[in-house]
Amino acid sequence: QVKLQEAGPGPVKPSETLSLTCDVSGGPIRSYYWVWVRQPPGKGLEYIGYVFYSGSSNYSPALKSRATISLDMSKSQFSLKLRSVTTADTAVYYCAAAGCSGLSCPFDYWGQGTLVTVSS
Amino acid sequence: SYVLTQPPSVSVAPGKTARITCGGDKIGSKSVHWYQQKPGQAPVLVIYYDTDRPSGIPERFSGSNSGDTATLTISRVEAGDEADYYCQVWDSSSDPSYVFGTGTKVTVV
Repeated sequence: QVKLQEAGPGPVKPSETLSLTCDVSGGPIRSYYWVWVRQPPGKGLEYIGYVFYSGSSNYSPALKSRATISLDMSKSQFSLKLRSVTTADTAVYYCAAAGCSGLSCPFDYWGQGTLVTVSS
Repeated sequence: SYVLTQPPSVSVAPGKTARITCGGDKIGSKSVHWYQQKPGQAPVLVIYYDTDRPSGIPERFSGSNSGDTATLTISRVEAGDEADYYCQVWDSSSDPSYVFGTGTKVTVV
């Protein structure tokens, strides 16, 4: 059973970089795609992107110019950096794990989520 | 980019059947996953690859997918099924990405 736990620094100011990490336990790093999803208050889920242990990655077209997801296998951890944030980036950010051999994988496991507020 | 459209809300009486639709162009040619999200909680996978159920998900949850519509069906609805439900696909277009549906609030009345 994979367990995921998000961690972040708290409030972020507009134009700065949002940085989050997700600690992974209970599952082999090489077996899953490691995913970030966000949810603005009162709104729906939005896919941000994923990284695979091979180095391959994918991003939502809407965020690909500002987002970077990386994997640190030695720490069993992956991270999200979102540059040049605005108040529209205020959301609960979830990390998730998708396990399958190809694309179109279901997101089997989710972290509890962490609220990131962008405010001056 | 690919758009998945869900009804904003569905109301259902206890013991009845709720059907939640997810509309998208030729969605029947894609694999659809469904998530349940209760207030203040992370989403939970309830149906994957159109019709499969993860372990621990009641048999009352089922899925289908054909043409331009995928459907999540909840039979013998219980009060505990009240939640938001989201469909999801992988869009393999020129700029491939996962896409979530707009979400449906299921209310048990």
